[in-house]
Amino acid sequence: DSGVTQTPKHLITATGQRVTLRCSPRSGDLSVYWYQQSLDQGLQFLIQYYNGEERAKGNILERFSAQQFPDLHSELNLSSLELGDSALYFCASSVWGSNYGYTFGSGTRLTVV
Amino acid sequence: EDKVVQSPLSLVVHEGDTVTLNCSYEVTNFRSLLWYKQEKKAPTFLFMLTSSGIEKKSGRLSSILDKKELSSILNITATQTGDSAIYLCAVEVWRGADGLTFGKGTHLIIQP
Repeated sequence: DSGVTQTPKHLITATGQRVTLRCSPRSGDLSVYWYQQSLDQGLQFLIQYYNGEERAKGNILERFSAQQFPDLHSELNLSSLELGDSALYFCASSVWGSNYGYTFGSGTRLTVV
Repeated sequence: EDKVVQSPLSLVVHEGDTVTLNCSYEVTNFRSLLWYKQEKKAPTFLFMLTSSGIEKKSGRLSSILDKKELSSILNITATQTGDSAIYLCAVEVWRGADGLTFGKGTHLIIQP
């Protein structure tokens, strides 16, 4: 157990729907990162939050949004889902300036049908 | 645009062999290079390299960074079937709070 908790583990939904993925970072970590992993694109950075505030944006679509709550858990909202959004979505957390990289959660596998 | 390229994309060897995985990068304001191992789900951290020429070791795994050549290698000696995984290389830059840029990974298969 990495200490980063993601729910749900699997999600199957229809095109056009909206889903919310949840992440609880490792205890003491203030930074939360969201990544998308698909077969053709590899791991792609989506967005980062630090202590409740958005810090950086990567290749995140406008249909996607995220937030980090006062208890530091984070949610990634995906709307108007398309078949191409099917992927593994990872959350990672880190201590700011850590020399040990990120700790990843076990991911949420999203299948859009 | 930051770019990380790994080679080979896939590698099949026999147990006991030694393998070398390659990672090259083109980024602005390099900060560190990281190696991760991904088996079934979550990538797990292996090494973080910031200084050129200094080897990091953990058991049968070792890695070294060459800042002049903008590359890194990951060596695994006396491979075991449990080493079968996707090995990911990622680069971190000094641009405030950006996420990591990952390569597409090397899929390593160790045959008994």
